[in-house]
Amino acid sequence: KAGVTQTPRYLIKTRGQQVTLSCSPISGHRSVSWYQQTPGQGLQFLFEYFSETQRNKGNFPGRFSGRQFSNSRSEMNVSTLELGDSALYLCASAGDLNTEAFFGQGTRLTVV
Amino acid sequence: AQSVTQLDSHVSVSEGTPVLLRCNYSSSYSPSLFWYVQHPNKGLQLLLKYTSAATLVKGINGFEAEFKKSETSFHLTKPSAHMSDAAEYFCVVSDRYTGTASKLTFGTGTRLQVTL
Repeated sequence: KAGVTQTPRYLIKTRGQQVTLSCSPISGHRSVSWYQQTPGQGLQFLFEYFSETQRNKGNFPGRFSGRQFSNSRSEMNVSTLELGDSALYLCASAGDLNTEAFFGQGTRLTVV
Repeated sequence: AQSVTQLDSHVSVSEGTPVLLRCNYSSSYSPSLFWYVQHPNKGLQLLLKYTSAATLVKGINGFEAEFKKSETSFHLTKPSAHMSDAAEYFCVVSDRYTGTASKLTFGTGTRLQVTL
């Protein structure tokens, strides 16, 4: 069974640009969550989608948005990039409300 | 609100000696607790989980953890460390009413170093 796949693995963007990250969950999983990992702030929850609806949201500005498609694949978008957005972005998928989350290898975003 | 505190940012042990990584939690509701491991340039791998069944939880690679409600602790242990155990370990809590896979709150991590 294939795991959680995140693309691309690495990205370099310029301040002010926007970026879209992609996450393909484990087959059959309907929940996809996104996390940001930085040395200063650690791992922080961004948002979660379940069956194409945003179900939970963390404390991030509106520049961070996401969506989920009918096949459960999810995208995360960050607009007007700032240097502080440089981070490892991790995606996790889960089967339903009360199972564990499985993480992808992440997308490392560098903003210059 | 929920939170976890990992009491040590860095732990160093010799190969073959026991490992103890400490975690205390705070949760308004019945918590679900997890330990995840992250090797360099890798994603997070689940080691074990507690979701209200047995308080002593066994995980992969010989790790186990004990849920102690009276002490609000969920320490991770392993009888004998291997070089391959060197990694960053995260204690994680979620609210079972929100969903155990949703809105995970991570500790700050403990870097485990294993020396010969």
